[in-house]
Amino acid sequence: DQQVKQNSPSLSVQEGRISILNCDYTNSMFDYFLWYKKYPAEGPTFLISISSIKDKNEDGRFTVFLNKSAKHLSLHIVPSQPGDSAVYFCAASVLLGGGNEKLTFGTGTRLTIIP
Amino acid sequence: SAVISQKPSRDICQRGTSLTIQCQVDSQVTMMFWYRQQPGQSLTLIATANQGSEATYESGFVIDKFPISRPNLTFSTLTVSNMSPEDSSIYLCSASRGEITDTQYFGPGTRLTVL
Repeated sequence: DQQVKQNSPSLSVQEGRISILNCDYTNSMFDYFLWYKKYPAEGPTFLISISSIKDKNEDGRFTVFLNKSAKHLSLHIVPSQPGDSAVYFCAASVLLGGGNEKLTFGTGTRLTIIP
Repeated sequence: SAVISQKPSRDICQRGTSLTIQCQVDSQVTMMFWYRQQPGQSLTLIATANQGSEATYESGFVIDKFPISRPNLTFSTLTVSNMSPEDSSIYLCSASRGEITDTQYFGPGTRLTVL
């Protein structure tokens, strides 16, 4: 059972425009959400996160929106740049006592920025 | 942040053999994890590597197949035992300091091909 789903395996966006990556989850116990970016032959790199007590978190060109009632989150990148071309993974966790974050990952969306 | 290195970066192995992957963190961390990313799939948690005690395995993963060691706060190994072609994957180590909302940092991964 895929508890974290990224239904778009790929996305192409023109440079300078907004990229919107989507993620849905089924486990209502998830209370912390993260986005990771992965380049080929490298490990995932943390991008931005959001706690379930918030509905928006912004960091520079990256904004994550959380809609708890819909169990949906999205990552907005604006303006999109060629260096943003990568695979983006959505991840979710249940924060247990002691900070033991067990991350459940989505299958990833390959973002291609077209110059 | 934490810088994580893995050895080897890639290997091609024969069926029935074993491979040990090393993970080194540049600073002391509380939590270390091992993930697997099979072709075209998301990252799946194999186990949490506990310092000084047996690893905690996720459903579907067992110690006999994936023995893990963690002798100190900066180092861990994962062994893939009695390999079959189905074990061909990228294996990733991650680490966090274990505080609530602390980010997990990932190593570059080990690409394993089993013939």
